[in-house]
Amino acid sequence: QSALTQPASVSGSPGQSITISCTGTSSDVGSYNLVSWYQQHPGKAPKLMIYEGSKRPSGVSNGFSGSKSGNTASLTISGLQAEDEADYYCCSYAGSSTWVFGTGTKVTVL
Amino acid sequence: EVQLVESGGGLVQPGRSLRLSCAASGFTFDDYAMHWVRQAPGKGLEWVSSISWNIGNIGYADSVKGRFTISRDNAKNSLYLQMNSLRAEDTALYYCAKGRTLDSGWDYWGQGTLVTVSS
Repeated sequence: QSALTQPASVSGSPGQSITISCTGTSSDVGSYNLVSWYQQHPGKAPKLMIYEGSKRPSGVSNGFSGSKSGNTASLTISGLQAEDEADYYCCSYAGSSTWVFGTGTKVTVL
Repeated sequence: EVQLVESGGGLVQPGRSLRLSCAASGFTFDDYAMHWVRQAPGKGLEWVSSISWNIGNIGYADSVKGRFTISRDNAKNSLYLQMNSLRAEDTALYYCAKGRTLDSGWDYWGQGTLVTVSS
């Protein structure tokens, strides 16, 4: 149960697009279509942004999109806004009723 | 409105036990998997344990296996985490989270209950 690997930080200017990668293995990200992404603002509970790799829950901006290729999942934020500044975590099912989170990425809006 | 309210956290000595509870409302509790996730101070999210809607599938992180036990009482709309043999590294904010349909994402989270393990 090793954590999925994410870049520690990603930054961009308002209106730009950024992408956060989430690298796992063939035992987790690569095996299941069950990658989700969470946004967490300081002092707040996480919020679901993407599920099943690319689906957006109701109420989440269409500026957020997800994808997967092999053992790596990605979250793209298009049209970056100040309120998107937060920590982002990926999470994948890893089999046998176990799950694993990513190491987390701090997004900074310049 | 979906609500998840955790309780039971506090200061506990190493080696002792604590039981966390999560009271759920606003949805049909016994239709969904539930999860415990923790976050040590200043650190990232760590999955702790999960339980399916019918208690048929249960999973634990290696870091807590053999020490923590997850359970649920569907009649009381409640989720529990029995934590034994607590260690300093178990110090964290513990969240409960609700799974979506097919447990494809965790769409509601509580505000967490803080567990501090220290002598």
